[in-house]
Amino acid sequence: QVHLVESGGGVVQPGRSLRLSCAASGFTFSSFAMHWVRQAPGKGLEWVTLISYDGSNKYYADSMRGRFTISRDDSKNTLYLQMNSLTPEDTAVYFCAREDDDYLDYWGQGTLVTVSS
Amino acid sequence: DIQMTQSPSTLSASVGDRVTITCRASQSISSWLAWYQQRPGKAPKLLIYKASSLESWVPSRFSGSGSGTEFTLIISSLQPDDFATYFCQQYHSYPLTFGGGTKVEIK
Repeated sequence: QVHLVESGGGVVQPGRSLRLSCAASGFTFSSFAMHWVRQAPGKGLEWVTLISYDGSNKYYADSMRGRFTISRDDSKNTLYLQMNSLTPEDTAVYFCAREDDDYLDYWGQGTLVTVSS
Repeated sequence: DIQMTQSPSTLSASVGDRVTITCRASQSISSWLAWYQQRPGKAPKLLIYKASSLESWVPSRFSGSGSGTEFTLIISSLQPDDFATYFCQQYHSYPLTFGGGTKVEIK
């Protein structure tokens, strides 16, 4: 049974950094590309970033490129999102999701990031 | 970027009603479209991929159709479990983009 559990969210001041984690289980983590998607309170879904199954390719939404970094540790079955220079506009629930043939077939329950002074 | 436009944004319906949600892409995405269901406070769940292929858990009252720029999600007979928000998403090209969502409410 595929299980994705995000952690690391919380309240952070503008300009500071935060690292999110996504622990995966129930599937061969190293065989799948993984994504981060976020959802601001009461809003729709916004794609953030993708890392390929082997970590060799990474793509970012324009508004996050240069500030956010996706990475993975296959030995720990864990996906990461390093977020720097955070602004209030980054306040959202951040979901990790598994990719299957380019669509997102399993999602975690999300972790809330609040950027506020 | 490919823009995805969903309509309506909110839909009020009764149990047993037939419900139709439309998703339009700003350019052709072939059949590279997924639909997700999201209940309040929960993660999105994949309903349909490649425009019309149902995930294994999805009841047959759900169907998806379309290609190119126009897509439709139909719930043939709305059930209490179906009151949720539905999002379309294109995976033709990056960045992946989502529709604004359609909230299906109880009438």
